[in-house]
Amino acid sequence: QQQVKQSPQSLIVQKGGISIINCAYENTAFDYFPWYQQFPGKGPALLIAIRPDVSEKKEGRFTISFNKSAKQFSLHIMDSQPGDSATYFCAATLNSGAGSYQLTFGKGTKLSVIP
Amino acid sequence: DAGVTQSPTHLIKTRGQQVTLRCSPKSGHDTVSWYQQALGQGPQFIFQYYEEEERQRGNFPDRFSGHQFPNYSSELNVNALLLGDSALYLCASSFLDSTDTQYFGPGTRLTVL
Repeated sequence: QQQVKQSPQSLIVQKGGISIINCAYENTAFDYFPWYQQFPGKGPALLIAIRPDVSEKKEGRFTISFNKSAKQFSLHIMDSQPGDSATYFCAATLNSGAGSYQLTFGKGTKLSVIP
Repeated sequence: DAGVTQSPTHLIKTRGQQVTLRCSPKSGHDTVSWYQQALGQGPQFIFQYYEEEERQRGNFPDRFSGHQFPNYSSELNVNALLLGDSALYLCASSFLDSTDTQYFGPGTRLTVL
């Protein structure tokens, strides 16, 4: 059972354009929604994260939009650059008790930014 | 300040063998989580360790076991390897009271032949 569904699977954007990646979740107990960026041969790196009491969070060129009623959240990358080419994963966590969280990941989106 | 480190980088084993992977958490972190990432997929949670005890476990068989040492470093052991165990194994560390924010190491690429 996939609890976090991510789309699209791959995305090609021209340099300077906006990249948009969408995720939907099923478990309403999720209470933290991070995005990770992964380059080939590397581990995922935390990019930006949001909690469900906030509808939007912006850090530089990266923005998360969160729609609690629709159980959806998305990552927007403004002014996309070739260096942004990587695989992006949305994730969600819930508190399993005593402050212990496990990350549930989407399947990933491979972003290619072409010059 | 060193981040999360893992060893070895790559490993090749044959079916039925046993393997041990190692992880050193980011300085100051006390909680270690292990994930399996199959090719083209998102990481899947295996288990989490704190105070040398397994706190949570994902949907993985008992062939997968772990250990945490007093210095917070951790090992992942997999017995009776199957071809399907071929994957990138990721270690993530965090503070216990904020394990929603996890920092990943570069991973160990395990190939089972």
